[in-house]
Amino acid sequence: AQTVTQSQPEMSVQEAETVTLSCTYDTSESDYYLFWYKQPPSRQMILVIRQEAYKQQNATENRFSVNFQKAAKSFSLKISDSQLGDAAMYFCAYRSAQGAQKLVFGQGTRLTINP
Amino acid sequence: DSGVTQTPKHLITATGQRVTLRCSPRSGDLSVYWYQQSLDQGLQFLIQYYNGEERAKGNILERFSAQQFPDLHSELNLSSLELGDSALYFCASSVGSGGGSETQYFGPGTRLLVL
Repeated sequence: AQTVTQSQPEMSVQEAETVTLSCTYDTSESDYYLFWYKQPPSRQMILVIRQEAYKQQNATENRFSVNFQKAAKSFSLKISDSQLGDAAMYFCAYRSAQGAQKLVFGQGTRLTINP
Repeated sequence: DSGVTQTPKHLITATGQRVTLRCSPRSGDLSVYWYQQSLDQGLQFLIQYYNGEERAKGNILERFSAQQFPDLHSELNLSSLELGDSALYFCASSVGSGGGSETQYFGPGTRLLVL
Protein backbone atom coordinates (compact mmCIF):
# COMPACT_ATOMS: atom_id res chain seq x y z
CA ALA A 1 0.00 0.00 0.00
CA GLN A 2 1.12 3.51 -0.72
CA THR A 3 2.04 5.83 2.11
CA VAL A 4 2.73 9.56 2.25
CA THR A 5 4.85 11.17 4.95
CA GLN A 6 5.10 14.82 5.87
CA SER A 7 7.82 15.09 8.48
CA GLN A 8 7.21 18.73 9.42
CA PRO A 9 4.07 19.10 11.58
CA GLU A 10 4.57 22.88 11.69
CA MET A 11 6.51 25.47 9.74
CA SER A 12 6.68 29.24 9.94
CA VAL A 13 8.01 31.89 7.58
CA GLN A 14 8.25 35.65 7.42
CA GLU A 15 5.95 37.40 5.03
CA ALA A 16 7.56 37.82 1.57
CA GLU A 17 10.11 35.09 2.28
CA THR A 18 10.33 31.62 0.73
CA VAL A 19 9.43 28.37 2.47
CA THR A 20 9.69 24.73 1.45
CA LEU A 21 7.40 22.00 2.73
CA SER A 22 8.64 18.41 2.55
CA CYS A 23 6.84 15.27 1.46
CA THR A 24 8.04 11.74 0.83
CA TYR A 25 6.03 8.80 -0.38
CA ASP A 26 6.39 5.09 -0.74
CA THR A 27 5.11 3.18 -3.75
CA SER A 28 6.08 0.35 -6.06
CA GLU A 29 4.21 1.90 -8.96
CA SER A 30 5.90 3.77 -11.77
CA ASP A 31 2.93 5.84 -12.90
CA TYR A 32 1.07 8.04 -10.45
CA TYR A 33 0.09 11.59 -9.59
CA LEU A 34 1.11 13.80 -6.71
CA PHE A 35 -0.81 16.74 -5.32
CA TRP A 36 -0.54 19.50 -2.77
CA TYR A 37 -3.80 20.62 -1.19
CA LYS A 38 -4.23 23.63 1.06
CA GLN A 39 -6.70 23.69 3.93
CA PRO A 40 -7.22 27.21 5.38
CA PRO A 41 -9.12 27.83 8.61
CA SER A 42 -12.37 27.59 6.64
CA ARG A 43 -11.54 23.83 6.30
CA GLN A 44 -12.09 23.89 2.54
CA MET A 45 -9.62 21.64 0.67
CA ILE A 46 -8.11 23.64 -2.18
CA LEU A 47 -5.88 22.15 -4.87
CA VAL A 48 -2.58 24.02 -5.03
CA ILE A 49 -0.54 22.10 -7.56
CA ARG A 50 -0.37 18.74 -9.35
CA GLN A 51 2.54 16.69 -10.72
CA GLU A 52 2.41 13.75 -13.11
CA ALA A 53 5.09 11.18 -12.30
CA TYR A 54 5.93 10.62 -15.97
CA LYS A 55 6.85 14.27 -16.40
CA GLN A 56 10.39 15.21 -15.44
CA GLN A 57 9.62 18.91 -15.46
CA ASN A 58 8.59 20.30 -12.10
CA ALA A 59 5.11 21.81 -11.96
CA THR A 60 4.69 25.53 -11.26
CA GLU A 61 1.62 27.58 -10.42
CA ASN A 62 2.43 31.25 -9.89
CA ARG A 63 4.24 31.49 -6.53
CA PHE A 64 3.98 27.74 -5.94
CA SER A 65 6.42 25.24 -7.38
CA VAL A 66 7.45 21.70 -6.62
CA ASN A 67 10.71 19.81 -6.53
CA PHE A 68 9.85 16.31 -7.73
CA GLN A 69 12.58 13.73 -7.23
CA LYS A 70 11.14 10.45 -8.49
CA ALA A 71 14.09 8.24 -7.60
CA ALA A 72 14.15 9.62 -4.08
CA LYS A 73 10.32 9.54 -3.86
CA SER A 74 10.33 13.12 -2.73
CA PHE A 75 7.83 15.86 -3.58
CA SER A 76 8.43 19.18 -1.86
CA LEU A 77 6.41 22.37 -2.22
CA LYS A 78 8.10 25.76 -2.44
CA ILE A 79 6.10 28.89 -1.73
CA SER A 80 7.79 32.08 -2.87
CA ASP A 81 6.96 35.58 -1.66
CA SER A 82 4.83 34.18 1.17
CA GLN A 83 1.62 36.05 1.85
CA LEU A 84 -0.60 36.13 4.93
CA GLY A 85 -3.28 34.30 2.95
CA ASP A 86 -0.94 31.33 2.53
CA ALA A 87 -1.37 30.44 6.19
CA ALA A 88 -3.04 27.03 6.24
CA MET A 89 -2.58 23.30 6.63
CA TYR A 90 -0.88 21.82 3.59
CA PHE A 91 -1.45 18.20 2.63
CA CYS A 92 0.61 16.17 0.22
CA ALA A 93 -1.38 13.47 -1.58
CA TYR A 94 -0.71 10.49 -3.87
CA ARG A 95 -2.98 8.91 -6.44
CA SER A 96 -2.31 5.83 -8.54
CA ALA A 97 -2.62 6.19 -12.29
CA GLN A 98 -4.40 2.85 -12.47
CA GLY A 99 -6.69 0.91 -10.22
CA ALA A 100 -8.16 2.65 -7.20
CA GLN A 101 -8.39 6.39 -7.71
CA LYS A 102 -8.39 7.31 -4.06
CA LEU A 103 -6.14 10.03 -2.74
CA VAL A 104 -3.68 8.96 -0.05
CA PHE A 105 -2.84 11.91 2.17
CA GLY A 106 0.05 12.76 4.43
CA GLN A 107 -0.56 14.03 7.96
CA GLY A 108 -0.23 17.66 6.94
CA THR A 109 2.04 20.62 7.72
CA ARG A 110 0.65 23.69 9.45
CA LEU A 111 2.18 26.80 7.88
CA THR A 112 2.23 30.08 9.79
CA ILE A 113 3.08 33.37 8.10
CA ASN A 114 4.67 35.98 10.36
CA PRO A 115 3.99 39.59 9.37
CA ASP B 1 -15.82 27.84 -4.60
CA SER B 2 -15.13 24.37 -6.04
CA GLY B 3 -18.69 23.83 -7.28
CA VAL B 4 -19.18 20.84 -4.98
CA THR B 5 -21.89 21.38 -2.37
CA GLN B 6 -22.43 19.54 0.88
CA THR B 7 -25.26 19.70 3.37
CA PRO B 8 -25.55 20.18 6.24
CA LYS B 9 -22.47 22.17 7.21
CA HIS B 10 -22.72 21.12 10.84
CA LEU B 11 -24.45 18.23 12.54
CA ILE B 12 -24.67 17.46 16.23
CA THR B 13 -26.21 14.20 17.31
CA ALA B 14 -26.07 11.56 20.02
CA THR B 15 -24.45 8.15 20.19
CA GLY B 16 -26.51 5.41 18.62
CA GLN B 17 -28.24 7.74 16.18
CA ARG B 18 -28.23 7.72 12.39
CA VAL B 19 -27.45 10.66 10.11
CA THR B 20 -27.34 11.30 6.37
CA LEU B 21 -24.81 13.57 4.70
CA ARG B 22 -25.55 14.88 1.24
CA CYS B 23 -23.26 15.87 -1.61
CA SER B 24 -23.88 17.41 -5.02
CA PRO B 25 -20.93 17.12 -7.40
CA ARG B 26 -19.76 19.78 -9.84
CA SER B 27 -21.88 20.07 -12.93
CA GLY B 28 -20.82 17.35 -15.36
CA ASP B 29 -18.80 15.32 -12.87
CA LEU B 30 -19.67 11.64 -12.73
CA SER B 31 -17.55 10.50 -9.78
CA VAL B 32 -18.15 11.23 -6.14
CA TYR B 33 -15.66 10.39 -3.40
CA TRP B 34 -16.16 10.48 0.37
CA TYR B 35 -13.32 11.18 2.79
CA GLN B 36 -13.20 11.39 6.57
CA GLN B 37 -10.88 13.80 8.38
CA SER B 38 -10.35 13.11 12.07
CA LEU B 39 -7.66 14.16 14.52
CA ASP B 40 -6.34 10.65 15.10
CA GLN B 41 -6.75 9.13 11.62
CA GLY B 42 -6.07 12.14 9.41
CA LEU B 43 -7.69 12.25 5.97
CA GLN B 44 -8.94 8.84 4.88
CA PHE B 45 -10.73 7.69 1.77
CA LEU B 46 -14.06 6.01 2.44
CA ILE B 47 -15.74 5.20 -0.86
CA GLN B 48 -16.11 6.22 -4.51
CA TYR B 49 -19.13 6.13 -6.77
CA TYR B 50 -19.00 6.54 -10.52
CA ASN B 51 -22.18 7.18 -12.47
CA GLY B 52 -24.32 5.46 -9.87
CA GLU B 53 -22.11 2.44 -9.28
CA GLU B 54 -19.71 1.75 -6.42
CA ARG B 55 -16.21 2.02 -7.86
CA ALA B 56 -13.83 1.69 -4.96
CA LYS B 57 -14.03 1.12 -1.25
CA GLY B 58 -11.57 2.23 1.40
CA ASN B 59 -11.62 2.20 5.18
CA ILE B 60 -15.38 2.47 5.46
CA LEU B 61 -17.02 0.91 8.49
CA GLU B 62 -19.91 -1.53 8.06
CA ARG B 63 -22.09 0.95 9.96
CA PHE B 64 -21.55 3.41 7.10
CA SER B 65 -23.08 3.17 3.66
CA ALA B 66 -23.35 5.40 0.63
CA GLN B 67 -25.16 5.64 -2.65
CA GLN B 68 -25.23 7.81 -5.75
CA PHE B 69 -28.55 8.68 -7.29
CA PRO B 70 -29.53 9.08 -10.97
CA ASP B 71 -29.09 12.85 -10.70
CA LEU B 72 -25.53 12.07 -9.51
CA HIS B 73 -25.88 13.48 -6.02
CA SER B 74 -24.62 11.20 -3.29
CA GLU B 75 -25.54 10.45 0.29
CA LEU B 76 -23.40 9.01 3.04
CA ASN B 77 -25.36 7.27 5.77
CA LEU B 78 -23.77 6.84 9.19
CA SER B 79 -25.61 4.63 11.69
CA SER B 80 -25.15 3.47 15.29
CA LEU B 81 -22.96 6.49 15.76
CA GLU B 82 -20.08 6.40 18.22
CA LEU B 83 -18.06 9.19 19.77
CA GLY B 84 -15.17 8.28 17.49
CA ASP B 85 -17.23 9.03 14.41
CA SER B 86 -16.95 12.73 15.17
CA ALA B 87 -15.05 14.15 12.21
CA LEU B 88 -15.15 16.35 9.16
CA TYR B 89 -16.62 14.46 6.21
CA PHE B 90 -15.63 15.64 2.77
CA CYS B 91 -17.15 14.91 -0.56
CA ALA B 92 -15.09 15.34 -3.71
CA SER B 93 -15.97 14.96 -7.36
CA SER B 94 -14.18 14.42 -10.66
CA VAL B 95 -15.19 14.36 -14.28
CA GLY B 96 -14.74 10.68 -15.06
CA SER B 97 -13.87 7.55 -13.15
CA GLY B 98 -10.88 9.23 -11.59
CA GLY B 99 -8.07 7.98 -13.78
CA GLY B 100 -5.63 9.80 -15.98
CA SER B 101 -4.93 13.39 -15.12
CA GLU B 102 -8.26 13.97 -13.38
CA THR B 103 -8.37 16.18 -10.34
CA GLN B 104 -10.67 15.71 -7.40
CA TYR B 105 -12.41 18.89 -6.28
CA PHE B 106 -13.55 19.02 -2.68
CA GLY B 107 -16.70 20.35 -1.11
CA PRO B 108 -16.69 22.45 2.08
CA GLY B 109 -17.29 19.42 4.28
CA THR B 110 -19.83 18.45 6.93
CA ARG B 111 -18.65 18.65 10.51
CA LEU B 112 -20.20 15.88 12.58
CA LEU B 113 -20.13 15.95 16.35
CA VAL B 114 -21.38 12.90 18.22
CA LEU B 115 -22.14 13.52 21.89
